[in-house]
Amino acid sequence: AQSVTQLDSHVSVSEGTPVLLRCNYSSSYSPSLFWYVQHPNKGLQLLLKYTSAATLVKGINGFEAEFKKSETSFHLTKPSAHMSDAAEYFCVVRGERSSYKLIFGSGTRLLVRP
Amino acid sequence: SAVISQKPSRDICQRGTSLTIQCQVDSQVTMMFWYRQQPGQSLTLIATANQGSEATYESGFVIDKFPISRPNLTFSTLTVSNMSPEDSSIYLCSGRTHQETQYFGPGTRLLVL
Repeated sequence: AQSVTQLDSHVSVSEGTPVLLRCNYSSSYSPSLFWYVQHPNKGLQLLLKYTSAATLVKGINGFEAEFKKSETSFHLTKPSAHMSDAAEYFCVVRGERSSYKLIFGSGTRLLVRP
Repeated sequence: SAVISQKPSRDICQRGTSLTIQCQVDSQVTMMFWYRQQPGQSLTLIATANQGSEATYESGFVIDKFPISRPNLTFSTLTVSNMSPEDSSIYLCSGRTHQETQYFGPGTRLLVL
């Protein structure tokens, strides 16, 4: 069965420093992977998605993620954190049996210190 | 892309009552979904809303508790019936476009006393 594991429940960085949010997936075939962000009291926004094209995926707001099959990872990065990046981030994999079903990771809360 | 709105944005309800949440999409989507996000938790799929037919429920969710309607391609409702404090959650509507991307509404924050 498909699953995702977000390795850190909380990540704290200083403004202007790099961001790394880690995600590992489990899949019996090449998956579709997504990162969503949820700001306080707001809905989910799609940051980026991987669907078996280029392994390095660029998203909105300067975020990018690299699909590494050998490591079964899809880590989210940003070169320089901004205060507005503080939010909850979810790594998501599309389900195996149903191509429409999304399976969410447990989430990583990003804190950005001034 | 798709813009999804929900009403109400939040509500406080008494146990034993029911609340109907409305979801409107600004463009046609191929599929619509309802998710629940319990406090401090990730999202769990409740059901897929099918146009003109009964919704498809995930394990642990039943129609009597969460009746869903989808009368057309851009509108759906979720009712939380006979509420208890354990139903206090954020309920999110989602739509999947022809480009196979899912978009989410802002959520309905429900508190049951």
